Amino acid sequence: TQLLEQSPQFLSIQEGENLTVYCNSSSVFSSLQWYRQEPGEGPVLLVTVVTGGEVKKLKRLTFQFGDARKDSSLHITAAQPGDTGLYLCAGRGDSNYQLIWGAGTKLIIKP
Amino acid sequence: ETGVTQSPTHLIKTRGQQVTLRCSSQSGHNTVSWYQQALGQGPQFIFQYYREEENGRGNFPPRFSGLQFPNYSSELNVNALELDDSALYLCASSRGRDGYTFGSGTRLTVV
Repeated sequence: TQLLEQSPQFLSIQEGENLTVYCNSSSVFSSLQWYRQEPGEGPVLLVTVVTGGEVKKLKRLTFQFGDARKDSSLHITAAQPGDTGLYLCAGRGDSNYQLIWGAGTKLIIKP
Repeated sequence: ETGVTQSPTHLIKTRGQQVTLRCSSQSGHNTVSWYQQALGQGPQFIFQYYREEENGRGNFPPRFSGLQFPNYSSELNVNALELDDSALYLCASSRGRDGYTFGSGTRLTVV
């Protein structure tokens, strides 16, 4: 069974600080996606990483896929209150279309 | 380009009743997935439909069933509702191995 573990589960920091969220597995994924979800809404896709070692940037957010395609990280620089939300990683295996989801990191940025 | 639309947005049902949730997929998307999300948790995969056939199922009992129609819209049916079925039910559409587009969900409360 493929599993994705996210850490930390909860993070509360001051505006302007940097942070990193991790998504780890013992399984290899063909691709990994990061989503952000706000209360009462569905998750919104932020990025998809496909190649081992790939780095993608989305303004102040930097996403990295591990060389072995088993793990990923999301780094936020100079966090803003608007970054508050539940961040979810989801991996796609090679054999089917099902996404395997992490439990999420609840991020709160205090002004 | 329209996104994913789910109805109803909120629903209260009594234990033992049956419920049908509906989802209109994003234009051009031929795959629909349904997820159950408890408060503060990541989504749990229920099942996926591709071209009107179920092609993947998570660890949910048979009383969770679904349909996909020729226009790629979909229904989730839950029979014999239990209190633990209270959750946010999310529908997501996709095409191939692209990222998923989620609806805002249906908040189901079973009393």
